[in-house]
Amino acid sequence: GAVVSQHPSRVICKSGTSVKIECRSLDFQATTMFWYRQFPKQSLMLMATSNEGSKATYEQGVEKDKFLINHASLTLSTLTVTSAHPEDSSFYICSARATGVWGNTIYFGEGSWLTVV
Amino acid sequence: GENVEQHPSTLSVQEGDSAVIKCTYSDSASNYFPWYKQELGKGPQLIIDIRSNVGEKKDQRIAVTLNKTAKHFSLHITETQPEDSAVYFCAATRNSGYALNFGKGTSLLVTP
Repeated sequence: GAVVSQHPSRVICKSGTSVKIECRSLDFQATTMFWYRQFPKQSLMLMATSNEGSKATYEQGVEKDKFLINHASLTLSTLTVTSAHPEDSSFYICSARATGVWGNTIYFGEGSWLTVV
Repeated sequence: GENVEQHPSTLSVQEGDSAVIKCTYSDSASNYFPWYKQELGKGPQLIIDIRSNVGEKKDQRIAVTLNKTAKHFSLHITETQPEDSAVYFCAATRNSGYALNFGKGTSLLVTP
């Protein structure tokens, strides 16, 4: 299938600092990417929809000033967790819609483990 | 928001047996229903999907059925193997877009 790459796979940051996670579509262009959060032994919860060239759309309850999303190109979306706190520790996963030869299918990245200490 | 219900939450089968996971959804606009396999510490891996204009799809040992009238869809794994052990999530698109609502997951254990 199509490949969605996330970086870093694991990051530890101090409370109060910011951390950036990148999501790249490696073999297709994605006008729309999605960011999810997953706590241990729970399901994936949509945080926001990242739109290339425009503002992200956030889900209810997700603070847009805390979770900054930038989708500057057709292959890259970034999620920046600002002023991170221990409760932000989670598994963050992005997805992208692959069209054309990939048949309009949604693929996920490998996820990024964030630990705030 | 719209919900996706998934059952069972855990499933244990003997190697070689079949496993069935069922999901229901409530958003009438949903038109794409993927299934993902997630291993510990990894991102979800797409294993099969089905669109609203199709009732059944099969890929080797894996099949998915969709009943759009009843708003439910199921994953069938035949001839299970220990390496099939993982958490499986069903999902449905929201508002005919491509954001997904996920079920709560099914932890499948295949014992030799």
